Amino acid sequence: AQTVTQSQPEMSVQEAETVTLSCTYDTSESNYYLFWYKQPPSRQMILVIRQEAYKQQNATENRFSVNFQKAAKSFSLKISDSQLGDTAMYFCAFMNPSGGGADGLTFGKGTHLIIQP
Amino acid sequence: GAVVSQHPSWVICKSGTSVKIECRSLDFQATTMFWYRQFPKQSLMLMATSNEGSKATYEQGVEKDKFLINHASLTLSTLTVTSAHPEDSSFYICSAIDYNEQFFGPGTRLTVL
Repeated sequence: AQTVTQSQPEMSVQEAETVTLSCTYDTSESNYYLFWYKQPPSRQMILVIRQEAYKQQNATENRFSVNFQKAAKSFSLKISDSQLGDTAMYFCAFMNPSGGGADGLTFGKGTHLIIQP
Repeated sequence: GAVVSQHPSWVICKSGTSVKIECRSLDFQATTMFWYRQFPKQSLMLMATSNEGSKATYEQGVEKDKFLINHASLTLSTLTVTSAHPEDSSFYICSAIDYNEQFFGPGTRLTVL
């Protein structure tokens, strides 16, 4: 079984600053997907970014990028030019894609990110 | 992206009654759907995997007789909380898989009085 660890329960930064959220995981699988999800106060889960383990290049989506270190089993999320709307819970998640992802997602405990004006 | 809906968005019921929550994939077919439970300020906990046309698979510690799951079609899964009690009050979220990505419904807030 895999585990996902987020060691920062809460973080607070000023608007426009860059912030990095940490995530480590443990698995014996060689092929897997990693995700960062955002859950704003509305509680709708929103996919921020996705990384396939077989890809060496770090995924990026506009202001969001990851630092994927496969050997270290680390998957951190960097948010550049942070905005007030980035205030939310952020969850790191692991998925085994074999069987079409039928095993579901394993989530970390989350990091509450607060962007201060 | 794919869209998943949930109904109702919130429900209040009396202790001892049953409540049904629907999860629909609106623009794709989902052979597999998932039900999660989330307590305030906590992460999502997988309750069960719902497979179209077969029995659901429950995670350890989840009472299958209390949380009945039916996945009768490729676009609909239902979660029925039977004989609900105040400790069942929580936020329930469903998701469906499309091309190795999970799409989440907006969630249902259940309050049992």
